[in-house]
Amino acid sequence: EIVLTQSPGTLSLSPGERATLSCRASQSISSSYLAWYQQKPGQAPRLLIYGASSRATGIPDRFSGSGSGTDFTLTISRLEPEDFAVYYCQQFGSSPITFGQGTRLEIK
Amino acid sequence: QVQLVESGGGVVQPGRSLRLSCAASGFTFSNFVMHWVRQAPGKGLEWVAAIWFNGNDKYYADSVKGRFTISRDNSKNTLYLLMNSLRAEDTAVYYCARGGRHDFFGESEYWGQGSLVTVSS
Repeated sequence: EIVLTQSPGTLSLSPGERATLSCRASQSISSSYLAWYQQKPGQAPRLLIYGASSRATGIPDRFSGSGSGTDFTLTISRLEPEDFAVYYCQQFGSSPITFGQGTRLEIK
Repeated sequence: QVQLVESGGGVVQPGRSLRLSCAASGFTFSNFVMHWVRQAPGKGLEWVAAIWFNGNDKYYADSVKGRFTISRDNSKNTLYLLMNSLRAEDTAVYYCARGGRHDFFGESEYWGQGSLVTVSS
């Protein structure tokens, strides 16, 4: 099983600041099989990034993804109030599909 | 537009069974892998199971293997999750999500609203 470890667990920032979220895999995965999701309380997850770096439909360009192998990053260039939420990475290169434990992005 | 609507959740005693359904619309259901993903109260996302577009291949998390069965009826555009021998730790919101085409697990752009399953005596 591929374990995804996200860091930090909680990130406290102010609107307008830059957020950098990390996702580290226990073994190398193809970038094609790495996605990022945003989840707000009481809502289903929302796909942000697929293929490690491609933005999903309707996702603002302040969200970007990068990385390869075992290290992947989600960057939010300039935080808007609506960006404060929990973020998960996911790998689906092999079964079982796994999610990271999440990074909570909170308002400082 | 793509819609996924789960139903069948509720309160069930430990050891009993429950079947969730997910009605799909707005896309060619029979072309896509489908997933079940759950989220225990206050916890993160946990993938549960996936099924190929034609139902021929099924994959499960170790935590549910042998107890849960994923299936689909492409003629009814509906995904199912039969949950047997339920335990307290199965308490969660269960989401259905669309995967990739045919036999590609894929990322999930579309999710249902979730169905709450509570296992309690």
